[in-house]
Amino acid sequence: DAGVIQSPRHEVTEMGQEVTLRCKPISGHDYLFWYRQTMMRGLELLIYFNNNVPIDDSGMPEDRFSAKMPNASFSTLKIQPSEPRDSAVYFCASSLARGPETQYFGPGTRLLVL
Amino acid sequence: AQTVTQSQPEMSVQEAETVTLSCTYDTSENNYYLFWYKQPPSRQMILVIRQEAYKQQNATENRFSVNFQKAAKSFSLKISDSQLGDTAMYFCAFMKQRGSEKLVFGKGTKLTVNP
Repeated sequence: DAGVIQSPRHEVTEMGQEVTLRCKPISGHDYLFWYRQTMMRGLELLIYFNNNVPIDDSGMPEDRFSAKMPNASFSTLKIQPSEPRDSAVYFCASSLARGPETQYFGPGTRLLVL
Repeated sequence: AQTVTQSQPEMSVQEAETVTLSCTYDTSENNYYLFWYKQPPSRQMILVIRQEAYKQQNATENRFSVNFQKAAKSFSLKISDSQLGDTAMYFCAFMKQRGSEKLVFGKGTKLTVNP
């Protein structure tokens, strides 16, 4: 299996621009997670889906952030408008409901907002 | 809410020696899971080892083993025969028993293996 795939790997944008991060989970996995990693706050869960349905979005920082999962093999995390404090590494992870509870992480997207 | 504490921001060890990374957690749950993830400079998060709280036996994966002390809420990671490739950030993480999939991470320990 190719593992969790994220794109782009790096993104540099200017404040106020819309940013869209993409994730393809491991085929057959039921859960999909979006995490953000910063020096100040460490790794934080933003939102997660079960069978394409958002279950817990309490970690989404504010209305500028939105996430969707239109089908089992694709999810997006959108920031509109972006701000410099959104600069971070964003990870997508997936896991299997009936298997071990382990979450498998993608390589991350490093976002820099100027 | 659950919290995970890693009290050692940085550690170093000589190649081939053994090192132990500490992790404590706070929870009122009786059934849960604990994980150690490794994050090398590439930033990829890699699962090292996992432990189910209902299992008394400590998990082992090759050179990696844990010392799980449920009563003390302690979950340390021991790396034997350290290798240069073990240089990375190590994160301890907690998850409640199935029904809540949230992983709660500690702040991490930066481990450097010196030649």
